[in-house]
Amino acid sequence: AQSVAQPEDQVNVAEGNPLTVKCTYSVSGNPYLFWYVQYPNRGLQFLLKYITGDNLVKGSYGFEAEFNKSQTSFHLKKPSALVSDSALYFCAVRPAGGSSNTGKLIFGQGTTLQVKP
Amino acid sequence: NAGVTQTPKFRVLKTGQSMTLLCAQDMNHEYMYWYRQDPGMGLRLIHYSVGEGTTAKGEVPDGYNVSRLKKQNFLLGLESAAPSQTSVYFCASSYSRQGDSPLHFGNGTRLTVT
Repeated sequence: AQSVAQPEDQVNVAEGNPLTVKCTYSVSGNPYLFWYVQYPNRGLQFLLKYITGDNLVKGSYGFEAEFNKSQTSFHLKKPSALVSDSALYFCAVRPAGGSSNTGKLIFGQGTTLQVKP
Repeated sequence: NAGVTQTPKFRVLKTGQSMTLLCAQDMNHEYMYWYRQDPGMGLRLIHYSVGEGTTAKGEVPDGYNVSRLKKQNFLLGLESAAPSQTSVYFCASSYSRQGDSPLHFGNGTRLTVT
């Protein structure tokens, strides 16, 4: 079965420190990978995506993500965390092939990022 | 610049009651989706549509029906609500089926079934 795993329910970091939110996936072929952020009582907002090419992709609000094909991982990173980064983060995958024709995404269970002053 | 709009924002139903959730997008997107969000389970796909007049089942379709009579609207119906359908429901749309096309989400409908 195709799946996405975010192994940490919550990540705590101090403001100014680097942060990493982990994501691994299990899908066939070469999937398309996404990160979304959700603030309280809001919908999900697109942060960044990996399609092909450079393994390090940059997105909104200073976030970046590193794709590792051998480890089937797509970890979200930021060099210096802000208190305003505190939110719920979702990793998502769109499998290549047939499922990509429907555009639907498979989501991880989400990781709460807490950045403390 | 509305994007994806969901109505209502909140609703409380009694078991057995019915309701319809409305999703409207003004971006001329072809693809639309209904997800439910439950703590610790991420988002799970209920139904989706790849174009006006077409719908398909997602991961958790039981107890729900959908309709896409107009390109801009995607309705989610609960015919006989159950407490297990207490959740936050999100509608999303996408410009194309191409792999790199992100989903655009509404702000959600919080439904409680008592």
